[in-house]
Amino acid sequence: GQNIDQPTEMTATEGAIVQINCTYQTSGFNGLFWYQQHAGEAPTFLSYNVLDGLEEKGRFSSFLSRSKGYSYLLLKELQMKDSASYLCAVRDSDYKLSFGAGTTVTVRA
Amino acid sequence: ETGVTQTPRHLVMGMTNKKSLKCEQHLGHNAMYWYKQSAKKPLELMFVYNFKEQTENNSVPSRFSPECPNSSHLFLHLHTLQPEDSALYLCASSQDLGTSDEQFFGPGTRLTVL
Repeated sequence: GQNIDQPTEMTATEGAIVQINCTYQTSGFNGLFWYQQHAGEAPTFLSYNVLDGLEEKGRFSSFLSRSKGYSYLLLKELQMKDSASYLCAVRDSDYKLSFGAGTTVTVRA
Repeated sequence: ETGVTQTPRHLVMGMTNKKSLKCEQHLGHNAMYWYKQSAKKPLELMFVYNFKEQTENNSVPSRFSPECPNSSHLFLHLHTLQPEDSALYLCASSQDLGTSDEQFFGPGTRLTVL
C-alpha cells in the first residue's frame, strides 16, 4: 500500500514561516500535490510538483526530492486565515491519489 | 452554480435506510471521484469514473453503490450502512486522468449513521 507521513499539528505566530514536511513511499510516482482544507470546507489546490526542486507561488512554496521521497510546503508571512489543515497527496503509477492524514496549522496572533 | 456542488450537505440515517448522495460539476471535466474522509484519517479514494465509466473501485463494500449517468453527475447510493460509515464524503473532479490537472473538490456531505 501507499505510505504518506506528515506531522499532525504545527503552531506558529502571525508573520512567521512554517514548513510542513511530507515523506512518502508509493508504488510509482506521477506527481505530488498540496491541498489546503479549512474546517468544514472542501480541500483546495495549492501546488503541484513532479520534478525535483522548488515551486513558488506567492507566499506558498513547495519543494520535491524524488530520490528521497520527500516534499515540504513552506508558508511565509503567516496570516490568521492560513489556519487550516494541509494535505500532502501523491499520485502513483496508476494515477491514483493517496493522501496523508493532514497537518493542522494553527496561527496565533 | 460554479465548481463542484454536493447535496445534501448533512445527512443522518438509520442503518436500514436507503439514501443517495449527489455530486454535480460545472467545470466540463471528464473524471469524477468519491472520497471518504474520517476524523484524523487520510482521505480514502472510493471510486473513480472517467467518461462515465468506472475505472476504480477501491475495495469498497457493496453497501455503497456509485452511479454516473453522465460526465457532470455522480451519485453514491447508500444502503444498510454501519455506524463506522459515518464520515465526510467528498466528491471531486478533474479534467482527465493521468495528467497534472488538480482535482477540484466539492464541500462534502457530512453523513451520520445511527
